[in-house]
Amino acid sequence: DAEITQSPRHKITETGRQVTLACHQTWNHNNMFWYRQDLGHGLRLIHYSYGVHDTNKGEVSDGYSVSRSNTEDLPLTLESAASSQTSVYFCASSGTTSGGALYNEQFFGPGTRLTVL
Amino acid sequence: AQSVTQLGSHVSVSEGALVLLRCNYSSSVPPYLFWYVQYPNQGLQLLLKYTSAATLVKGINGFEAEFKKSETSFHLTKPSAHMSDAAEYFCAVSGGNTPLVFGKGTRLSVIA
Repeated sequence: DAEITQSPRHKITETGRQVTLACHQTWNHNNMFWYRQDLGHGLRLIHYSYGVHDTNKGEVSDGYSVSRSNTEDLPLTLESAASSQTSVYFCASSGTTSGGALYNEQFFGPGTRLTVL
Repeated sequence: AQSVTQLGSHVSVSEGALVLLRCNYSSSVPPYLFWYVQYPNQGLQLLLKYTSAATLVKGINGFEAEFKKSETSFHLTKPSAHMSDAAEYFCAVSGGNTPLVFGKGTRLSVIA
């Protein structure tokens, strides 16, 4: 069965370190998304990609970067981790219609809980 | 631009009672609307979606939602709550070719 996986599931790091969270999907979806979930804020969009070599900033992109070198993966990098980036991170993907429109139904990974000390 | 407001961060119902979770949206274009559910320590799972077909949408686990354009609402209902319905519920909106915008979520508690 197709799926979307995230690794690691839990990560503890120190302030100032670079951290990369992995996201891998086997749906063959063009569109991939990164969100962070914080109490009282719901899910907020960090970055997204509509295809290989395409990346776009979301609502809370400062301090984060992504690159898309293939269809299956969209790693999220925290260039210099800060305590404010302690959160649960979710990756999601969605398909595209034959006409090129975005399928809005997104499939979510299980999440990565990141703690920055 | 799109936005979503979920009324009530926490809703508590008795087992067997009606579940009503409220969602109001704002969209400058005809919206696509979604309800997702999140169980503890898990990702989000799609409950149902509205994509401009029938205004009454049926989803999984006995949930349904009605799109009301005049009220800009998409409230989620279930006639009879089960203990297993206890979870966090998120309403989301999209303009069609844009990423989803999520509400802040409503935590549903079911009391035996």
